[in-house]
Amino acid sequence: DSGVTQTPKHLITATGQRVTLRCSPRSGDLSVYWYQQSLDQGLQFLIHYYNGEERAKGNILERFSAQQFPDLHSELNLSSLELGDSALYFCASSAAWGLADLKLFGPGTRLTVL
Amino acid sequence: AQKITQTQPGMFVQEKEAVTLDCTYDTSDPSYGLFWYKQPSSGEMIFLIYQGSYDQQNATEGRYSLNFQKARKSANLVISASQLGDSAMYFCAMREGSTSGTYKYIFGTGTRLKVLA
Repeated sequence: DSGVTQTPKHLITATGQRVTLRCSPRSGDLSVYWYQQSLDQGLQFLIHYYNGEERAKGNILERFSAQQFPDLHSELNLSSLELGDSALYFCASSAAWGLADLKLFGPGTRLTVL
Repeated sequence: AQKITQTQPGMFVQEKEAVTLDCTYDTSDPSYGLFWYKQPSSGEMIFLIYQGSYDQQNATEGRYSLNFQKARKSANLVISASQLGDSAMYFCAMREGSTSGTYKYIFGTGTRLKVLA
């Protein structure tokens, strides 16, 4: 158990649909990060939240959005899904926010868009 | 422009031998961090080691060490005494721009390591 939980583990949906991926950070961690790993694009940083506030954006599409709730869990919303959105979506958490802040990943949610 | 380059798509190493995985980076930010991650076939991402741009000494974590050559902009991962369980994909990553309050986080394309018995 890595301490970071992600649900669901697998998700299969159709193009045009909308899905929500959920992440619960390790207990005590205030930072949550989202990453996408696809065959085409490799590993990409999407977005970072710290204690409920957005801290940095990476290569996140406008069709995607995220938020971190007061209990520190985070959700990544993917809408108008395309085949190319099929990927492994990782969430990671860390205690603080700084250069050496990224330490613990969740197991990932594998999204398949048909 | 590619900011993190891993030139070795795949490598083999004999069990118990050491292996070096190459990583070069490009940044104009004086403050940055370099990371290595391991991704086994099961898919999870495991943090291995971190090196800050201002760190004077090379980072070490057990059998992992980072050969940091700042002038050459390289951050090679050295795995000593390879084990069969080290067979995995290895990613080098860089975080830059922290001084501005926002930052970028970039991954390399990875090196697949196979340890031979």
